[in-house]
Amino acid sequence: DADVTQTPRNRITKTGKRIMLECSQTKGHDRMYWYRQDPGLGLRLIYYSFDVKDINKGEISDGYSVSRQAQAKFSLSLESAIPNQTALYFCATSEGGMGQPQHFGDGTRLSIL
Amino acid sequence: AQSVAQPEDQVNVAEGNPLTVKCTYSVSGNPYLFWYVQYPNRGLQFLLKYITGDNLVKGSYGFEAEFNKSQTSFHLKKPSALVSDSALYFCAVRDSTANAGKSTFGDGTTLTVKP
Repeated sequence: DADVTQTPRNRITKTGKRIMLECSQTKGHDRMYWYRQDPGLGLRLIYYSFDVKDINKGEISDGYSVSRQAQAKFSLSLESAIPNQTALYFCATSEGGMGQPQHFGDGTRLSIL
Repeated sequence: AQSVAQPEDQVNVAEGNPLTVKCTYSVSGNPYLFWYVQYPNRGLQFLLKYITGDNLVKGSYGFEAEFNKSQTSFHLKKPSALVSDSALYFCAVRDSTANAGKSTFGDGTTLTVKP
């Protein structure tokens, strides 16, 4: 089983709909992250959480919200989806410390029509 | 502020030849540097990191990277490329003085290894 699981893997929806992307992990890491990947733009940080009571905005948080339901669960919501939010979304986890690498899920491909 | 640049969108090499994927960075403090690989329809996988110490670091699948402080570079290398190395490669940096441990990723370099 994957250590970082994202659901759904693919989603097509319409403009204005509310969407939730879910992430769960079995690695026991405190830190969790949501990224967006667009072709040629690398990964951009949307939100991150260093523990259950800690939520922080990343560089592109407008139009998104998150919920850290437990150490193992971190959800990303699009309250009213728009077409330019069409992208590949990744959840990642890490241990604390500057030198710790991130561990990524396999992504959710989201298309907004 | 921290930043990272991968100057080449695409690198093409023949199987068996050495490969280099370039990365340069900018930080205010000390850099923590990482390389990740992404295969189609998969998330990023950690390859190797530089924290401190020896400038040449070794990682997974025969990859290594050379840290050069004067040139602010952290190039990924492999002595003999395999077709299975074809993938998208990302360099990432953390600055010891800022951002509570957030990483900044480069835009990625697509490596194609031809038989």
